[in-house]
Amino acid sequence: TQLLEQSPQFLSIQEGENLTVYCNSSSVFSSLQWYRQEPGEGPVLLVTVVTGGEVKKLKRLTFQFGDARKDSSLHITAAQPGDTGLYLCAGGSNYKLTFGKGTLLTVNP
Amino acid sequence: KAGVTQTPRYLIKTRGQQVTLSCSPISGHRSVSWYQQTPGQGLQFLFEYFSETQRNKGNFPGRFSGRQFSNSRSEMNVSTLELGDSALYLCASSFDRGLISFGPGTRLLVL
Repeated sequence: TQLLEQSPQFLSIQEGENLTVYCNSSSVFSSLQWYRQEPGEGPVLLVTVVTGGEVKKLKRLTFQFGDARKDSSLHITAAQPGDTGLYLCAGGSNYKLTFGKGTLLTVNP
Repeated sequence: KAGVTQTPRYLIKTRGQQVTLSCSPISGHRSVSWYQQTPGQGLQFLFEYFSETQRNKGNFPGRFSGRQFSNSRSEMNVSTLELGDSALYLCASSFDRGLISFGPGTRLLVL
């Protein structure tokens, strides 16, 4: 069974602080995706990483995929209240996504 | 382009009843997958359909079933509802293995 573990589970920070969320897997995935979900809505795809060692930047968000394609991290610089939400990592294989349980981020103004 | 739509958005049922949820994918998307989201277990994969064929199925009991129609619309059915089936049911669509878009979900409450 493929599992994805995310840490931390909860994170509450002040506006302007930096943070990192981690996603670790017990096995290799063909791709890894990060989503953000807001209350009452479905997850929205932020990024897909495919190649081991890959780094992608999306404005203040930086995503890394581990060399062995079993772990990933999401770093947010100068967090803003609009970044508040549930951040989910998901590994893709065999026409399905395996999700971590998520990191609930609250950014206080 | 319209996003993934799910109906109904909210549903209240009692134990033992059955329920059918509907999903309309983004136009042109032929893959539809379903996920159950609960506070304790997070998002768990139910099944995936492509061109009316189920390509993968998650570890859920046989009470959970689904199907896809020729226009790519999909339905999932849960029979003999249990309290533990209360969850947000999410549908997602993609062209094939491409970018996945999720719908807003159907929130099911079983009393």
